[in-house]
Amino acid sequence: DIVMTQTPLSSPVTLGQPASISCRSSQSLVNTDGNIYLSWLHQRPGQPPRLLIYKISNRFSGVPDRFSGSGAGTDFTLKISRVEAEDVGVYYCMQATQYPVTFGGGTKVEIK
Amino acid sequence: EVQLVESGGGLIQPGGSLRLSCAASGFTVSSKYMTWVRQAPGKGLEWVSVIYTGGNTYYADSVKGRFTISRDNSQNTLHLQMNSVRADDTAVYYCASVGPWLAYDSWGQGTLVTVSS
Repeated sequence: DIVMTQTPLSSPVTLGQPASISCRSSQSLVNTDGNIYLSWLHQRPGQPPRLLIYKISNRFSGVPDRFSGSGAGTDFTLKISRVEAEDVGVYYCMQATQYPVTFGGGTKVEIK
Repeated sequence: EVQLVESGGGLIQPGGSLRLSCAASGFTVSSKYMTWVRQAPGKGLEWVSVIYTGGNTYYADSVKGRFTISRDNSQNTLHLQMNSVRADDTAVYYCASVGPWLAYDSWGQGTLVTVSS
């Protein structure tokens, strides 16, 4: 199984300041079709997850442009340019390149 | 508007069976891959199973042979039949639709399954 490792586990951030979350996979996420199936999800307390980013860097419909994704191979990053109060919660990276689909352990973003 | 509504969760004894349902609206379940993901209390996300539009299914090793994913096109509903449940199956079970680039683009609110004697 591909292991997805996220850092940090927790990220206290001041409102309006940037935040960055790293996700590293235990093996390359390049599929046999040449594509990388890496997504980012956000889960607010008591809510289901929601899709933020797909295909490494593509924002899903309705996602603010302060969210951006980047990376290649085994190293991926989610950045929030200016954290807002509604951004609190847990962020997960997810790979669907190979079954079983696996998720990172999550990074909790909270306001200082 | 796309909506997914899970039902069927509850308290069940170890070794028992339970059937979860996920009613879809705003799209047809037969037109998209559909998946189940679970989250144990206070823990992260764990993938459970997926069903392709063509009917192929895949399962996590932890549930293989015990759980069965299926869909009822006439009812536009996804199901998860859970047999021989164990305490470590206790979790909120979410259904989700799979969009382009295998991203899980719509999620239900989840249904809680508690396995306990």
